[in-house]
Amino acid sequence: AQSVSQHNHHVILSEAASLELGCNYSYGGTVNLFWYVQYPGQHLQLLLKYFSGDPLVKGIKGFEAEFIKSKFSFNLRKPSVQWSDTAEYFCAVSFSGNTGKLIFGQGTTLQVKP
Amino acid sequence: NAGVMQNPRHLVRRRGQEARLRCSPMKGHSHVYWYRQLPEEGLKFMVYLQKENIIDESGMPKERFSAEFPKEGPSILRIQQVVRGDSAAYFCASSPGQANGYTFGSGTRLTVV
Repeated sequence: AQSVSQHNHHVILSEAASLELGCNYSYGGTVNLFWYVQYPGQHLQLLLKYFSGDPLVKGIKGFEAEFIKSKFSFNLRKPSVQWSDTAEYFCAVSFSGNTGKLIFGQGTTLQVKP
Repeated sequence: NAGVMQNPRHLVRRRGQEARLRCSPMKGHSHVYWYRQLPEEGLKFMVYLQKENIIDESGMPKERFSAEFPKEGPSILRIQQVVRGDSAAYFCASSPGQANGYTFGSGTRLTVV
């Protein structure tokens, strides 16, 4: 079955620390990859997406992600987090032939201490 | 330019009642997706609709749940005879086409008491 897994459920960092959130998916075919962020009390917002081309994708707010096809991974990174990055982060994958629906990971709650 | 509008934001229903959740997509978007987020879980796909058509309902529970996206008006997710296990956040997303990535609404938080 097609699935997406996020390795870290809860991450606590101090401001200025570097962040890497893992995301792996199970499917070996063509995929579109997304990271969404949900700030407390708000809706999901798109951070970045990968459809094709350069596997290193730059997103908003200083986030980036790297698609490594051989590892079925799409890890999210940020060199220096801020308190305002405290939120829940979701990796999502759209698999080819799946009508555009997204399969989401379980989410990672990031808490940044000032 | 309004985003995806969902209402109500919060909905409380007693067991056995009906819940109707509404979603107005972004202007120009004709594809609507519904997702459910249960406590402590990620979002799960429920249904994908285009105007007047259900394209993919593989994530919908077999009973009590239905969805529509009429020619005029918002998309409606309807839950009949709600049970406590239906308590969740229901998110709608719209897109101009398949696999483009979409814009999410703020969600409707349904509480069944």
